[in-house]
Amino acid sequence: KNQVEQSPQSLIILEGKNCTLQCNYTVSPFSNLRWYKQDTGRGPVSLTIMTFSENTKSNGRYTATLDADTKQSSLHITASQLSDSASYICVVSDRGSTLGRLYFGRGTQLTVWP
Amino acid sequence: SQTIHQWPATLVQPVGSPLSLECTVEGTSNPNLYWYRQAAGRGLQLLFYSVGIGQISSEVPQNLSASRPQDRQFILSSKKLLLSDSGFYLCAWSTLDRVETQYFGPGTRLLVL
Repeated sequence: KNQVEQSPQSLIILEGKNCTLQCNYTVSPFSNLRWYKQDTGRGPVSLTIMTFSENTKSNGRYTATLDADTKQSSLHITASQLSDSASYICVVSDRGSTLGRLYFGRGTQLTVWP
Repeated sequence: SQTIHQWPATLVQPVGSPLSLECTVEGTSNPNLYWYRQAAGRGLQLLFYSVGIGQISSEVPQNLSASRPQDRQFILSSKKLLLSDSGFYLCAWSTLDRVETQYFGPGTRLLVL
């Protein structure tokens, strides 16, 4: 069964600290993995996307890693800011159908305190 | 550049009332369009997708329906809302050849009382 599991479910950190969010998936055949940031009451916005051959991808203070062998990904946030408070969603795409289905994790709710 | 709009932003409806949520996309032609629902504490669930005018595919059996009367317009409807229809509804679009890259609208929060 194709699944995407994220951990932790929620996380609270102090402003300026680093954190790492985890994503494990069982989606096959794998096409790509994307991390989205979703502010409360808003639509998700893409942060990074990685294909099978990519191990790491950065977007400012966000760095995503991918281990396609173990089917794990992480999102590392450096020097957190209050504006980083949001839900971070891991999304994995397959190519098993013409639609290229997306599988969504439930997200990690990150809260950054001053 | 492409933009995607949804309205209303927030909606409170009584059980048994009808529903119509609208989504429009600007700046692109022949997009794939998608309706998702995000329940509290849950991941996004694909409800419907459309690859063209009048072409609707349903992913899960439910109380909702979708229509695509124009190329860049996607409507989510219900004749009689249920309490379980409450949630955050997101519209998204993608190009026909890059279905794995979807761009989301701002969402509509629906509360059924």
